[in-house]
This record gives sequence, C-alpha cells and structure tokens, in this order.
Amino acid sequence: QKEVEQDPGPLSVPEGAIVSLNCTYSNSAFQYFMWYRQYSRKGPELLMYTYSSGNKEDGRFTAQVDKSSKYISLFIRDSQPSDSATYLCATRGIQGAQKLVFGQGTRLTINP
Amino acid sequence: DADVTQTPRNRITKTGKRIMLECSQTKGHDRMYWYRQDPGLGLRLIYYSFDVKDINKGEISDGYSVSRQAQAKFSLSLESAIPNQTALYFCATSDLGGVETQYFGPGTRLLVL
Repeated sequence: QKEVEQDPGPLSVPEGAIVSLNCTYSNSAFQYFMWYRQYSRKGPELLMYTYSSGNKEDGRFTAQVDKSSKYISLFIRDSQPSDSATYLCATRGIQGAQKLVFGQGTRLTINP
Repeated sequence: DADVTQTPRNRITKTGKRIMLECSQTKGHDRMYWYRQDPGLGLRLIYYSFDVKDINKGEISDGYSVSRQAQAKFSLSLESAIPNQTALYFCATSDLGGVETQYFGPGTRLLVL
C-alpha cells in the first residue's frame, strides 16, 4: 500500500463548478500537507499547504485536513479553464530530515 | 531566468547507453532531489542530497547514480539505460525547516529505445 493514495482521474467538470480533490494517507506521523499544481509540460508548483488539521483558504482554493480519518482535500470554487492541470497532494513528517511523499496526482480539466 | 534549470529538456537514447541529466539552481538551497514521474504512479524519489557531502537513495535508486558537484549542481546518471527508464525526470530544490517548499525544474523527457 502506498503511503499516500490519490485517485488519478481524469476528472472533467464544467466551468464554474465546485471541484473536490482528495487524498488519503496511512502514516499518522505526517504533519505537513501540501497541494502542488502541475500544468502540462511544466514542473509542479506549490499551491497551498496546511500544518496539522484544519482548513486553509486562499482565494478560490480551500485545503482541508482531517487527521482523524487521514484525509486531505482541496476544493476549488468557481472553477476556471485556467485551473486545468494535474493536482498532486504531498505530505511529510516534522521530525528531522523528512522527505515529501506524493500522491499519484489527479488530472483535472475545466470545460468552458 | 528560471531558478531551477534542467538539461537536456528532451532526450532519446538507446538501450545500454550511458546518459547524464543535469540540474542547476540559483535559489541558494542546500537540498536537491531527483524524481521520476510516470502516468498513474505520480512522483517517485530517486536520490536526494541535503548538502554537497550528503547523498541518499530514494525509493527507486536502482539503475541510477548521482553526483553533487557543487551546492548549485546535481546530476543524475543512467549507467546503462533500459526502456523502463523512459519517463519524465524532475529536479527539485528546497529550503530548510518548516514546510520546506520544493521548487521544481521544468523536467527532462527521456525516451529509451
């Protein structure tokens, strides 16, 4: 079993829809949770991060972590065609030299 | 100019050939990483380096080697390329502490025939 599981999609929704992207993880030591966005033929870029449980909002994007169920979510409101990309969740622990563990990535298309 | 650069951007090679992928960064970060990305498998860590004298294997290091020539340069070598090493390769850097945001290069698309 992978430490971080993410449905690879693809996911296709109409413009303006609310998008929900999700990951589950298995290691309770993970404390930092991130979402990276990767446009076609580009490297991933950090979109948002949260520390421990809770919500974090940035414009149309909301990241949510539920440590009790080991569930990570990214919500996109009023989705735009420019949001079309692959979204990767990632997580790491807090102790010492920790590496990021990535999910498989979900390919999202927003249709005009 | 981009903070993390990779050369070449595309490469076609034959089975058994030795090839090197190069990565340079201007962010001043000590930590550098090499990943490969395959459809449905996400990003998998090949090697990482926390400073010039520190090299560590990732989850899929077999068939690969690395060299950290300087703080700013980290190279990945395929000693004898095989077709299942066909993938998209990314270099990344990160700062110390906290979130340790990773900054990725544009990637190298490698095809092994």
